[in-house]
Amino acid sequence: EDQVTQSPEALRLQEGESSSLNCSYTVSGLRGLFWYRQDPGKGPEFLFTLYSAGEEKEKERLKATLTKKESFLHITAPKPEDSATYLCAVQAPAGGSYIPTFGRGTSLIVHP
Amino acid sequence: NAGVTQTPKFQVLKTGQSMTLQCAQDMNHEYMSWYRQDPGMGLRLIHYSVGAGITDQGEVPNGYNVSRSTTEDFPLRLLSAAPSQTSVYFCASSYVAGYNEQFFGPGTRLTVL
Repeated sequence: EDQVTQSPEALRLQEGESSSLNCSYTVSGLRGLFWYRQDPGKGPEFLFTLYSAGEEKEKERLKATLTKKESFLHITAPKPEDSATYLCAVQAPAGGSYIPTFGRGTSLIVHP
Repeated sequence: NAGVTQTPKFQVLKTGQSMTLQCAQDMNHEYMSWYRQDPGMGLRLIHYSVGAGITDQGEVPNGYNVSRSTTEDFPLRLLSAAPSQTSVYFCASSYVAGYNEQFFGPGTRLTVL
């Protein structure tokens, strides 16, 4: 059973068309929720960390929010260079180990 | 700072061969980890280390060994390669385990024939 579910799997937008990506999680005792961007053929690149419900972080056209069950990555007036796969990961205690759980990602394509 | 570096970028092996994927970081991070990324599966943790001399298993450790003799280096060894190990491998590091964002290397694309 997935602990982290991202939706949609794929999203196509026109340049300037705002939208949101969703990351829902079922872990308890959340220590942190992380958003990453991954370009084709490259490693994931860190975007945001959210630690508690109600927290928000912004960077350029991206804004991440967190509730007790899910996180949203809002993309405002996207540009073609925002095209990438966006990954969500959660960190929760699991018997004292440090194993983050990643979602499968949302592939975003922004058309000019 | 070079960040997290991985070598090689590409590798083709025959079934049964062994090899070591190299990973190094120059940020003095305590936590290092190895992931594999397969289509439709997301990133899965293979092994991790919370400091020099300390390693532990992740979700999918079978067929892989690691060691951490220095803070900087965290090599991943494939003992006897199998086609199921065809994947893209990423090494990552973070300041401490559990709370901080991870910095990922550029990846190694491995094909096992």
